[in-house]
Amino acid sequence: DAGVTQSPTHLIKTRGQQVTLRCSPKSGHDTVSWYQQALGQGPQFIFQYYEEEERQRGNFPDRFSGHQFPNYSSELNVNALLLGDSALYLCASSFGIAGAGETQYFGPGTRLLVL
Amino acid sequence: RKEVEQDPGPFNVPEGATVAFNCTYSNSASQSFFWYRQDCRKEPKLLMSVYSSGNEDGRFTAQLNRASQYISLLIRDSKLSDSATYLCVGRLAAGNKLTFGGGTRVLVKP
Repeated sequence: DAGVTQSPTHLIKTRGQQVTLRCSPKSGHDTVSWYQQALGQGPQFIFQYYEEEERQRGNFPDRFSGHQFPNYSSELNVNALLLGDSALYLCASSFGIAGAGETQYFGPGTRLLVL
Repeated sequence: RKEVEQDPGPFNVPEGATVAFNCTYSNSASQSFFWYRQDCRKEPKLLMSVYSSGNEDGRFTAQLNRASQYISLLIRDSKLSDSATYLCVGRLAAGNKLTFGGGTRVLVKP
């Protein structure tokens, strides 16, 4: 049973560029959440996708956008990269969206470095 | 003020000793709480959920105090493999967004 997978594992970009990160949820899961974890800090919620729609959004600018596909996989896009966007980007999957909720399982992350 | 706050540590713990640490939360609407463990350069992994009645999983005991809005984690008989960052996490009843603290680093030494 495959867990959450993310690609690529590492990425180096320069300021102003655009990046797309990918996530495949754990088998049987239909909800994908994205988090940004800066060095030495806890993960910060970016947004959550369910039924191909953005359901919740954290305190991130519009440069951060996403998409969910019919097979539940998801992409995170970041435009006009800033040095401060350098971080570990984590994808978490779960089943359903109602409050009681299932455990969120995290993928290994994509480490983005912006130069 | 951050929604979930933790002492960053590090807590230097002799092998076999007991260590305990807390986190505090500011949003009284938070319904569910968890402790996640994160090893260096790895993803967070769920350690345990936290219930008001307190819960134990082997050497780990978690407690929730809603009146004082804090969550605790106690590790007994510490092992070298317990060295990690422990993330305190809250979740509102509506939706499934997780709010993380900054993490508490624990170093278990021989």
